[in-house]
Amino acid sequence: KAGVTQTPRYLIKTRGQQVTLSCSPISGHRSVSWYQQTPGQGLQFLFEYFSETQRNKGNFPGRFSGRQFSNSRSEMNVSTLELGDSALYLCASSLGLGTNEKLFFGSGTQLSVL
Amino acid sequence: GESVGLHLPTLSVQEGDNSIINCAYSNSASDYFIWYKQESGKGPQFIIDIRSNMDKRQGQRVTVLLNKTVKHLSLQIAATQPGDSAVYFCAEMSLGGTSYGKLTFGQGTILTVHP
Repeated sequence: KAGVTQTPRYLIKTRGQQVTLSCSPISGHRSVSWYQQTPGQGLQFLFEYFSETQRNKGNFPGRFSGRQFSNSRSEMNVSTLELGDSALYLCASSLGLGTNEKLFFGSGTQLSVL
Repeated sequence: GESVGLHLPTLSVQEGDNSIINCAYSNSASDYFIWYKQESGKGPQFIIDIRSNMDKRQGQRVTVLLNKTVKHLSLQIAATQPGDSAVYFCAEMSLGGTSYGKLTFGQGTILTVHP
């Protein structure tokens, strides 16, 4: 069974631009969560989607948004990029049947903002 | 303000030794705990999990211990191998709707295994 797939693997953008990252969950998983990983802040939760609905959200500004499609694939968007948005963005999937489930992570998208 | 990089704890062991990685958590409402391994250039890889109604769980070469009284979690790796070298994270989740998909991660520990 294929794991969580994230594309693209690397991205370079400039300040003020926007970016869209994509995540395909493990087959049969309906929940997709997004995390930001930086050397300074570690791993931080962005948001979670299930059945095309956002169920949970972390403490990030409104420039960070996401969506989920009917096939459970998810995208996240960051608008008006700032230098501090440079990070590894990780997507995780789970069955979504409740809390306290194993989350399986993809390899991430490394975003560099210049 | 200026951001300060995390200074990750490090653990250096010889191949074949047993390793113990520790993690303290602060949320007494945490109900579920996971250990992840992250190698360079990869996402976190699930190792083992434990629920708060247990104090020990064993997997292949790994054991997780949970002490809820002092809010402490540990990961024991038996017969550590060079391929175990990575950053290890503990993560916690609490019950309730606000926890969907939300793991709170520890800062991580760098494990280096010398041949």
